[in-house]
Amino acid sequence: QKEVEQNSGPLSVPEGAIASLNCTYSDRGSQSFFWYRQYSGKSPELIMSIYSNGDKEDGRFTAQLNKASQYVSLLIRDSQPSDSATYLCAVPSEGGYSSASKIIFGSGTRLSIRP
Amino acid sequence: GAVVSQHPSWVICKSGTSVKIECRSLDFQATTMFWYRQFPKQSLMLMATSNEGSKATYEQGVEKDKFLINHASLTLSTLTVTSAHPEDSSFYICSANRDRLIRGTQYFGPGTRLLVL
Repeated sequence: QKEVEQNSGPLSVPEGAIASLNCTYSDRGSQSFFWYRQYSGKSPELIMSIYSNGDKEDGRFTAQLNKASQYVSLLIRDSQPSDSATYLCAVPSEGGYSSASKIIFGSGTRLSIRP
Repeated sequence: GAVVSQHPSWVICKSGTSVKIECRSLDFQATTMFWYRQFPKQSLMLMATSNEGSKATYEQGVEKDKFLINHASLTLSTLTVTSAHPEDSSFYICSANRDRLIRGTQYFGPGTRLLVL
């Protein structure tokens, strides 16, 4: 059974600081990795995807992937109260090479940015 | 990003009635869509994979006769909750993969909140 593990939190970070969210996955053959943000009462929203080892930056968000350690993280710089949400790490079940691939989600990390 | 819509956004119905929820991909074709359910403060739970032109694939424990899925076109999948009961009250969310975009990226609809009285 392929698994995606996240610390459920809550993770409390002061406004303006860096929030670091971590995720590990069990399938060494996984090729695609996603971070979704879900506000309370809303559906998930894709915020980052990463496919290669290293860092990928998009605005205040940086995704980091280490395939050898089977570890993917999301850094949020200059955290804002609007970043308070649950962040879901996700990995396609079949390596992501099929449009029919299911996604395996972690249980999510609840992030709270305190003013 | 890609746009996926759902209709209705919320519905209240009496116990025993059937409710149909639509999921549309607005700017791309999707041979595969997914239906999830989420109870308050719980994780997303995949219910079924909807395949255009063929039968849906249901996850273990999901009753296919209760949750009818039809994927009649490349842009529309419907989920019908038959003979709904209060325990079916939940947040139903669909998602779709963009066919020409590999690597399994899924885009979610805004969700449909169902309350069965």
